[in-house]
Amino acid sequence: AQSVTQPDIHITVSEGASLELRCNYSYGATPYLFWYVQSPGQGLQLLLKYFSGDTLVQGIKGFEAEFKRSQSSFNLRKPSVHWSDAAEYFCAVGGGATNKLIFGTGTLLAVQP
Amino acid sequence: NAGVTQTPKFRILKIGQSMTLQCTQDMNHNYMYWYRQDPGMGLKLIYYSVGAGITDKGEVPNGYNVSRSTTEDFPLRLELAAPSQTSVYFCASTMGGDQPQHFGDGTRLSIL
Repeated sequence: AQSVTQPDIHITVSEGASLELRCNYSYGATPYLFWYVQSPGQGLQLLLKYFSGDTLVQGIKGFEAEFKRSQSSFNLRKPSVHWSDAAEYFCAVGGGATNKLIFGTGTLLAVQP
Repeated sequence: NAGVTQTPKFRILKIGQSMTLQCTQDMNHNYMYWYRQDPGMGLKLIYYSVGAGITDKGEVPNGYNVSRSTTEDFPLRLELAAPSQTSVYFCASTMGGDQPQHFGDGTRLSIL
């Protein structure tokens, strides 16, 4: 079955510290992988995407993610977190003729001053 | 450059009432989607459409209906509102292929 697992429901980091949000997926074909961010009361904004090629992808706001096929993972990283990064982060997998996405349950990030 | 527009932003319904959530996109995208978001559950796909005149069920379609008479519009209909349909609803669209989905700002719906 196709699925996305984000094992961390809630993470708290200090401002300036590094961040890694975990994402594992199960998908039959070659996956398209995405990270979205959602601020309170807002819609989802695309951070970055992976389709093929270089397994380390760069996104907006200083985020990056690495696709590891052998581990079925697509973890999101940022070297130095800013207070404005506090939000909920969603990993998603999709593809195929219908371009449907399967979302993880999200990781809520809190940033301490 | 409006993107995906959802109306209304907020709504309170009584049990048994009906309503239509509107979604319009101005990017000429073929693919459109309706999701619901519940706390701790991520986003679940309700219905989707791969083009005008074509719709199909997603993971959680019960209690909802959709239509796609034009490329731009993809309304979601609740016929008999139930408390279990209290949620935040998101509409999204994409050109397809390697393009990501673009999301609206959501409709927050409470059914009392």
